[in-house]
Amino acid sequence: QQQVKQSPQSLIVQKGGISIINCAYENTAFDYFPWYQQFPGKGPALLIAIRPDVSEKKEGRFTISFNKSAKQFSLHIMDSQPGDSATYFCAARKRVFSGGYNKLIFGAGTRLAVHP
Amino acid sequence: DVKVTQSSRYLVKRTGEKVFLECVQDMDHENMFWYRQDPGLGLRLIYFSYDVKMKEKGDIPEGYSVSREKKERFSLILESASTNQTSMYLCASSLPGQGRNEQFFGPGTRLTVL
Repeated sequence: QQQVKQSPQSLIVQKGGISIINCAYENTAFDYFPWYQQFPGKGPALLIAIRPDVSEKKEGRFTISFNKSAKQFSLHIMDSQPGDSATYFCAARKRVFSGGYNKLIFGAGTRLAVHP
Repeated sequence: DVKVTQSSRYLVKRTGEKVFLECVQDMDHENMFWYRQDPGLGLRLIYFSYDVKMKEKGDIPEGYSVSREKKERFSLILESASTNQTSMYLCASSLPGQGRNEQFFGPGTRLTVL
């Protein structure tokens, strides 16, 4: 059972357009929501993250919108560029035990292609 | 720069072979993780370790074991490789604590089991 549902599976956007990727979760114990970006041949890397007490976080062209009541969050990429072409994963953090360890539950991923 | 390295980028093994995947991180991170990445399934946690010699099962531990004898090194072992273990394997590390959440990933090992 997928605890974090991500859509769409793939996305094609024209250069300069807005890319939107959506995620939904069920577990209200999740307390941190990062997005990871993965280029071909590389491991994922943290792109941007949000805590549930904030409704929006913006870093450059990347914005996370968070709707706690709906248990949904989304990544918006403004002015999308060909260099943004990558696979994007949303994730949610669940604390396994008090102390150091935090488990990330990942969505299935969205392959974004930005066409020039 | 945090660096997580994995011993092989590509590996081809035969069914029944014992397979070792090695991961080394150079940032003195307490936490280390092994994931497998499959299309349409995202990243699924196999095992993690929060200290030397300590390990916990993730979501899909069956058919795998791990070893962490030194803080910087975390090994994933496939005791008897099977074709359904053909996948991309990703290692990651992170600091402990609620405020330091970023996981740093290696480039991955693409394993093919014939």
